[in-house]
Amino acid sequence: GAVVSQHPSRVICKSGTSVKIECRSLDFQATTMFWYRQFPKKSLMLMATSNEGSKATYEQGVEKDKFLINHASLTLSTLTVTSAHPEDSSFYICSALSLGLSSTDTQYFGPGTRLTVL
Amino acid sequence: GENVEQHPSTLSVQEGDSAVIKCTYSDSASNYFPWYKQELGKRPQLIIDIRSNVGEKKDQRIAVTLNKTAKHFSLHITETQPEDSAVYFCAASVRPAGGGNKLTFGTGTQLKVEL
Repeated sequence: GAVVSQHPSRVICKSGTSVKIECRSLDFQATTMFWYRQFPKKSLMLMATSNEGSKATYEQGVEKDKFLINHASLTLSTLTVTSAHPEDSSFYICSALSLGLSSTDTQYFGPGTRLTVL
Repeated sequence: GENVEQHPSTLSVQEGDSAVIKCTYSDSASNYFPWYKQELGKRPQLIIDIRSNVGEKKDQRIAVTLNKTAKHFSLHITETQPEDSAVYFCAASVRPAGGGNKLTFGTGTQLKVEL
């Protein structure tokens, strides 16, 4: 149980184009999902918290107009990188929050999307 | 906000030996501390977690200890095997009453288990 998928796994695009990444919780509902960015050999940096039916909460320094987040259903959140540039190249990972018992809130991660902007 | 420090950044052990990774956190309100294992190019996998009302938790070869007073927690892996080689991340979060905890990750530890 608690499987999170992400699509696409890898994308290469030209500078200036927009790229949409999907994050799905396959066997549970997730009112909250998170989007992270990870550079090679570095830690996960939280970009934003995606809440179903409401606007995403962005971390300081993350441009909300560049990284558009939509969480339209309890199983799907999307991240759109608009007008992508080479510096946006990175590994993007989502996670979905599984609300269990009062003592357990576990984040399950998707497999990640490798974005390369030429 | 929360700040999590993790040490060491790299750790090399012989197969069968124990490995210990340590983390400290800054926010005394943090109450949930998961550990994730990430292999190259793969997703982080939760391996064990602990809540602030518990001082120690063990799952087979893996254990986590928590010292709330000192605000540090540690991951212990015994009888290490080559397949334990990966990057390990600690994290800390505060779980508000309504749920939806936000994790702050440590910088990661590259563990290498040598034959």
